[in-house]
Amino acid sequence: DAGVIQSPRHEVTEMGQEVTLRCKPISGHNSLFWYRQTMMRGLELLIYFNNNVPIDDSGMPEDRFSAKMPNASFSTLKIQPSEPRDSAVYFCASRPGTISYEQYFGPGTRLTVT
Amino acid sequence: KNQVEQSPQSLIILEGKNCTLQCNYTVSPFSNLRWYKQDTGRGPVSLTIMTFSENTKSNGRYTATLDADTKQSSLHITASQLSDSASYICVVSATNAGKSTFGDGTTLTVKP
Repeated sequence: DAGVIQSPRHEVTEMGQEVTLRCKPISGHNSLFWYRQTMMRGLELLIYFNNNVPIDDSGMPEDRFSAKMPNASFSTLKIQPSEPRDSAVYFCASRPGTISYEQYFGPGTRLTVT
Repeated sequence: KNQVEQSPQSLIILEGKNCTLQCNYTVSPFSNLRWYKQDTGRGPVSLTIMTFSENTKSNGRYTATLDADTKQSSLHITASQLSDSASYICVVSATNAGKSTFGDGTTLTVKP
């Protein structure tokens, strides 16, 4: 298995632009997590899905952030409009099931908003 | 408030030496505690997962311990290697809604 796949790996955009981050979880995993990591705040959970349904989005910072999971093999995290303070590394992770505690992280997308 | 505190914040050791990283938590009700290793520029990789009934778990040269009474965990690295240089993150999950609390991590540098 290729593991969790994220794209793009790096994104540089100007303030005000829309940014879409993509994630393909490991096949067969039915939980998906989006995280943000910064030096100041460490790793933060933004949202997670079970069986494509959003379960907890309390970590989503503002209405500018939205996440979707249209099917079991694809998820997006969208920021519209982007701001410089959104600059961070965004990780996607997947988990085999609600019983398993193990999460498998993707390589991350480094977002820079200028 | 659920919190996870890791110490030290950073650590430098010589190759071949052992070291121990600490994690104290206040997460309740406790479900599980996980240690991750994160290399620079990469995603975290799971090292160990422990539930309430487990006191110790090993993964190669990594050994994690858990004292659920004092709410403390440690990660012991034996015979360190240069490749152990990374950030080590402690994550504790609560049983209600499965929410996880992340520590800020310990940055380990192993020097030759």
